[in-house]
Amino acid sequence: EPEVTQTPSHQVTQMGQEVILRCVPISNHLYFYWYRQILGQKVEFLVSFYNNEISEKSEIFDDQFSVERPDGSNFTLKIRSTKLEDSAMYFCASSPSGTATYEQYFGPGTRLTVT
Amino acid sequence: GIQVEQSPPDLILQEGANSTLRCNFSDSVNNLQWFHQNPWGQLINLFYIPSGTKQNGRLSATTVATERYSLLYISSSQTTDSGVYFCAVEYRYNFNKFYFGSGTKLNVKP
Repeated sequence: EPEVTQTPSHQVTQMGQEVILRCVPISNHLYFYWYRQILGQKVEFLVSFYNNEISEKSEIFDDQFSVERPDGSNFTLKIRSTKLEDSAMYFCASSPSGTATYEQYFGPGTRLTVT
Repeated sequence: GIQVEQSPPDLILQEGANSTLRCNFSDSVNNLQWFHQNPWGQLINLFYIPSGTKQNGRLSATTVATERYSLLYISSSQTTDSGVYFCAVEYRYNFNKFYFGSGTKLNVKP
């Protein structure tokens, strides 16, 4: 069964460094998402992406964050200058179409630790 | 936005017991999904259920969209059912964005 994959599974970085989290969505899906979960808290929406542009973003997704689909398979989340409070699990998700009619499929997550 | 509330926040069961988890939402939704977050942090899709009833083995779910709630039933619970159960909804007026509840933390004891 096709699945969303994410790399790395765990990333440790120093405050102020740039990180890129990578995701490979399911191949025929058109919508892509990033969510984050601070330890012990609920999952929060960051951004959705369709047709090579941002469809929706939350207040969390400020100028420090960016997303890109550099080729036909990868979907990346970049944090330009990490802060301690960026430590969280980051989930990528994809869906075949807009979620009004299709479910979202989540990847296993990347645990980001900022020291 | 939309408020998503789950109850109970914590639940302890003896293996073999049944349970019902509830998800209430404050407005109309297009989409609702239930997830199980395992001890490794992975979110496992359980049900895509914007309305109606579905069953998958020992798990079943019912969503009554007009009354703004969904229920997840776990029968004959096993220790491997332990973890956190989240419901997530897509607000009718805000596509392509899931709002998650705070989850129900389930601990099934042998």
